Amino acid sequence: AAGVIQSPRHLIKEKRETATLKCYPIPRHDTVYWYQQGPGQDPQFLISFYEKMQSDKGSIPDRFSAQQFSDYHSELNMSSLELGDSALYFCASGGAGEAYYGYTFGSGTRLTVV
Amino acid sequence: GDSVTQMEGPVTLSEEAFLTINCTYTATGYPSLFWYVQYPGEGLQLLLKATKADDKGSNKGFEATYRKETTSFHLEKGSVQVSDSAVYFCALSDLMNYGGSQGNLIFGKGTKLSVKP
Repeated sequence: AAGVIQSPRHLIKEKRETATLKCYPIPRHDTVYWYQQGPGQDPQFLISFYEKMQSDKGSIPDRFSAQQFSDYHSELNMSSLELGDSALYFCASGGAGEAYYGYTFGSGTRLTVV
Repeated sequence: GDSVTQMEGPVTLSEEAFLTINCTYTATGYPSLFWYVQYPGEGLQLLLKATKADDKGSNKGFEATYRKETTSFHLEKGSVQVSDSAVYFCALSDLMNYGGSQGNLIFGKGTKLSVKP
């Protein structure tokens, strides 16, 4: 079965650079959630999209922006990277009912800022 | 706002020991409750879920019962294996979290389980 695809799997950037993370949801899923997981931390909700519109916003820094495109894939754009942005970034996709039945997560993008 | 509290780890057990990881929650609405598992170097996988009071979620020998009266969703397994070594996250999703985030997952801080042969 198709899963949530994230790319790239690993990314190394220098401070003050820009990074773009991509998420391709399960086909026919219309909702994408982004989470950030720091080393040894629980996942923190960043932002979500439903039908290509932002549906909710969590602890996403102003330096980050995201959008969902017409094919439902989503991109998280991160600018002026800081060392503290080093983390595992997950996206999860959902369709009708997933809030009740559980979202499917991608394998994540590990971002290292040096 | 909604929150999840789970027991801190790490938890170290011998193979075939009984496992309990406590999880309690605070929610304004009627949340769905989940346990996710994260194996080393991997993403989050849904382990089990319960969507209403008294529901029991189960998978791979793990069980958790949605207890509304105690606002708990404790994870149990009768006999753990080395392959169960992972970090376990309790989470909730509350579509009625008015004033907060509706529908997205709120996680506990995770409990690392190490099972020794």
